[in-house]
Amino acid sequence: GQSLEQPSEVTAVEGAIVQINCTYQTSGFYGLSWYQQHDGGAPTFLSYNGLDGLEETGRFSSFLSRSDSYGYLLLQELQMKDSASYFCAVSRGSSNTGKLIFGQGTTLQVKP
Amino acid sequence: DAGVIQSPRHEVTEMGQEVTLRCKPISGHDYLFWYRQTMMRGLELLIYFNNNVPIDDSGMPEDRFSAKMPNASFSTLKIQPSEPRDSAVYFCASSTLTSGRPDTQYFGPGTRLTVL
Repeated sequence: GQSLEQPSEVTAVEGAIVQINCTYQTSGFYGLSWYQQHDGGAPTFLSYNGLDGLEETGRFSSFLSRSDSYGYLLLQELQMKDSASYFCAVSRGSSNTGKLIFGQGTTLQVKP
Repeated sequence: DAGVIQSPRHEVTEMGQEVTLRCKPISGHDYLFWYRQTMMRGLELLIYFNNNVPIDDSGMPEDRFSAKMPNASFSTLKIQPSEPRDSAVYFCASSTLTSGRPDTQYFGPGTRLTVL
C-alpha cells in the first residue's frame, strides 16, 4: 500500500517561518511534490524534489530525505496570502509516469 | 495559454440524472488527469490518460463513472446515474513530461457538482 502523512493544521504569524512535514510510505518512490490550494481555488504547483536535499524557490523551500521517507515545505517571511492548504504528493514508478498520489493536506492559517 | 478549461463550473442535478463534465487541457500537454476532491477523502485521482489513451482507471469508484478522451484537446467525465455521494469538486489537470524536469500538473478551476 501507500500512505502520506502531514499535519492537518498549522498556525503561524505574519513574518514568521513555518515548516510543513510530510512522511510517506510507498513502493517505487520517484519524487515528492508540493501544491498550494487557496479556499475555493485549484491546486497549484509549488516545488518538486527528485533528489535528496533542499530546493529553494523564493520564499518557499522544499526538502527531501529518501532514506527517511520524509520531506518538508518551508515557508519564510509568511504573508497573509499564504493562508491556504498545502499538499505533498508522491510520484511513483521506475520513471516519471506523471501520476501523483496526494496527501490529505495541511491547512495553514497566517495570523497578523 | 488559457490554462486548463473546465465546464460547467457549477452543476446541480437530481439523483439519477446523467452528468457530463468537460475538460480542455493545455495545448501540447500529453497527460490528462481527472480528480475528485471532498472533505472526507481529500484529492483522489480517478483516471488519467497519456496521448488520449487511458492508462490507469483504478481510482474510478464504480461503473457509474466513465471517462473518454476522443482527441488531444478534449476529455469528458460522465456519471450515470448520479447519486448524492458523488457531490464533490471535480478537477481536471494536464501535464507534459520534459526530460530532466519534474512533472508539474496544471489544474483547471474545477466543477462543483451537487447531486440532490
